[in-house]
Amino acid sequence: AQSVSQHNHHVILSEAASLELGCNYSYGGTVNLFWYVQYPGQHLQLLLKYFSGDPLVKGIKGFEAEFIKSKFSFNLRKPSVQWSDTAEYFCAVNGHLYGGSQGNLIFGKGTKLSVKP
Amino acid sequence: SQTIHQWPATLVQPVGSPLSLECTVEGTSNPNLYWYRQAAGRGLQLLFYSVGIGQISSEVPQNLSASRPQDRQFILSSKKLLLSDSGFYLCAWNLGAGANVLTFGAGSRLTVL
Repeated sequence: AQSVSQHNHHVILSEAASLELGCNYSYGGTVNLFWYVQYPGQHLQLLLKYFSGDPLVKGIKGFEAEFIKSKFSFNLRKPSVQWSDTAEYFCAVNGHLYGGSQGNLIFGKGTKLSVKP
Repeated sequence: SQTIHQWPATLVQPVGSPLSLECTVEGTSNPNLYWYRQAAGRGLQLLFYSVGIGQISSEVPQNLSASRPQDRQFILSSKKLLLSDSGFYLCAWNLGAGANVLTFGAGSRLTVL
C-alpha cells in the first residue's frame, strides 16, 4: 500500500534560517506529489506540486521541492524562512493505483514549523 | 469561480448521538468529492470519496457513512457517535479522472464528549 513519511514532527527555526522538510513515499509506479500548507486558522492549501518534467518545482512564497525518484523523496525547501511561514506542512502522493478516482491523495502526518521572530 | 462550503464549523456532541456534516461545492459540475479526517499527529486520513451521485467508496471501515444526494453535495453521517470520532473533518473536491489538485473546505471540528 502507498504511504508517505514525514520525518520531522515539529521543526523550530529562527527567521532567515534555511528550511528542509523531508518527505519519502512508498510506491513504485508513476506518482504525483504535493505539498500542502495549513496556516493557523486557515484552509489547507496547495503549496506546490509535481506531475512530470523538471524534478525541481517551485511553489508559492519562495518554496521549492525536488523530486528524487531514486530516493522516493520529495523534500520541501526554502532558503530563508519568515515568521509568516509558521504553519503545518503536509506532503501527499497520488499514485495511479485506484480504479476509481485517481484524485485520491495519501498524506503524511504533517510537520509543524515554528519560526521565531 | 468555484467555492466549497462546510458546515457546521464546530460541533460538540455527546457519545451515542447522530452526526451530519454537510459539504457543498459551487461553480463546477460533476466534481469528485472527498471526506478526510485530520487528527493531531496523524495527518489526513481519507475516509470516503465519490465520483458521482450515489457513488461512494469507503477507504477505512469505521463508524461513519457518507452520501451524495446531489451532484455537488456530500454528507458525512453517523448514527451513534463514539469518542474516537472526535477530530477535524475536511471536505475536498477536484475534477476529472486524472490526478488533479484537491481544493479543501475550511473544515468541521467535531468534539464528542
